[in-house]
Amino acid sequence: TQLLEQSPQFLSIQEGENLTVYCNSSSVFSSLQWYRQEPGEGPVLLVTVVTGGEVKKLKRLTFQFGDARKDSSLHITAAQPGDTGLYLCAGLTGANSKLTFGKGITLSVRP
Amino acid sequence: GAVVSQHPSRVICKSGTSVKIECRSLDFQATTMFWYRQFPKQSLMLMATSNEGSKATYEQGVEKDKFLINHASLTLSTLTVTSAHPEDSSFYICSANRDTLRGETQYFGPGTRLLVL
Repeated sequence: TQLLEQSPQFLSIQEGENLTVYCNSSSVFSSLQWYRQEPGEGPVLLVTVVTGGEVKKLKRLTFQFGDARKDSSLHITAAQPGDTGLYLCAGLTGANSKLTFGKGITLSVRP
Repeated sequence: GAVVSQHPSRVICKSGTSVKIECRSLDFQATTMFWYRQFPKQSLMLMATSNEGSKATYEQGVEKDKFLINHASLTLSTLTVTSAHPEDSSFYICSANRDTLRGETQYFGPGTRLLVL
């Protein structure tokens, strides 16, 4: 069974701070996706990383895929209250196109 | 804008009744859709893979006779919770696989909140 470990599980920070969260696995994924989910809504895709070592930026969010395609990180610069939510990483394997989800990181940004 | 829709967004039903949830891909065809269940403060748990034109593939521990899946067309999959019980109350989310230049990407619907009384 492939597992994705996300850390930290909970994070509460002040507006303006920077943060980095992680998504780690012992398995190799063909791609890895990051989602953000707000209460009562479905996950919204933030980014898909495919190539080992790839770095993608989405405004104040920077995503990195590990060289071995087993792990990923998300760095948020100058966090804002609107960044509050559940951040989920999910790895895609070739078999059956199923996503394996991590347990998520609950981020709270205080004004 | 949204690329996957779900209907209804929330439903309350009596124990023993059946509830149907629809999942539609709005501007693309999806041969594969997925159904997830999410309990409060937990991650998404895959229930089944819905394949257009064939039977759904269920994850271990998910009762196929209780959670009926029909992938009627390339843009529509339905999940029917039969003889619902209070423990079936949950947030049900579907997703649809979309082929992009960067490979496959799953786009999620907004979810359906089911409350069984």
